[in-house]
Amino acid sequence: DIQVTQSPTFLSASVGDRVTLTCRASQGIMTYLAWYRQKPGNAPQLLISATSILQRGVPSRFSGSGSGTEFTLTINNLEPEDFATYYCQQLHSFPFTFGPGTTVDIK
Amino acid sequence: QVQLRQSGPGLLKPSQTLSLTCAISGDSVSSDSATWNWIRQSPSRGLEWLGRTYYRSEWHSDYAESLRSRITISPDTSKNQFSLQMNSVTPDDTAVYFCARVEEVGYSFDSNDYGLDVWGQGTTVTVSS
Repeated sequence: DIQVTQSPTFLSASVGDRVTLTCRASQGIMTYLAWYRQKPGNAPQLLISATSILQRGVPSRFSGSGSGTEFTLTINNLEPEDFATYYCQQLHSFPFTFGPGTTVDIK
Repeated sequence: QVQLRQSGPGLLKPSQTLSLTCAISGDSVSSDSATWNWIRQSPSRGLEWLGRTYYRSEWHSDYAESLRSRITISPDTSKNQFSLQMNSVTPDDTAVYFCARVEEVGYSFDSNDYGLDVWGQGTTVTVSS
């Protein structure tokens, strides 16, 4: 299985900050990577597919980049609803593994 | 607007069979541009993709290898839904189970370019004697 790791595990930030989250795959996955945001008690919400394609309705303050084994999710101008846990998922090979998540909380 | 509504029991005893159903509205389980997935989430395992079913001229299913011997994901076209069956559950299968769709339409002809865009509400399943 492809192992997916994320860093940092926790990140403290303030409204209006810019934050960058990192996702790494144990082997090259081209650009087959998705990002999700999950708030407590809710299902994950798809933010980005194919490394950098924003889902319909997702604000433009979210952006993704990378290829191969290293990827980033950048959130500009953090809004209150962005304090949540973010997961990446590789879609290159079965099983489609997820990272352990990065929790963004309020400083 | 596509919605997925999950149903099924939340409490099982070890060795029993888990059966969950995901009812689809606003789309078709027989769509030739969607796949229908099951994922679970627990504190110990995090998010874990279990498998999927989809129709491309015929029905296909893919499973996480670690669970292949215990799970079946199947469509029910008459009710426009799909289901998860997991045999011989243990306390380690305790988790929140989600169904989710992948829609392979839009910016790419490559099916791996699409993430899980619609999710069910989640079902908390507890396995305990």
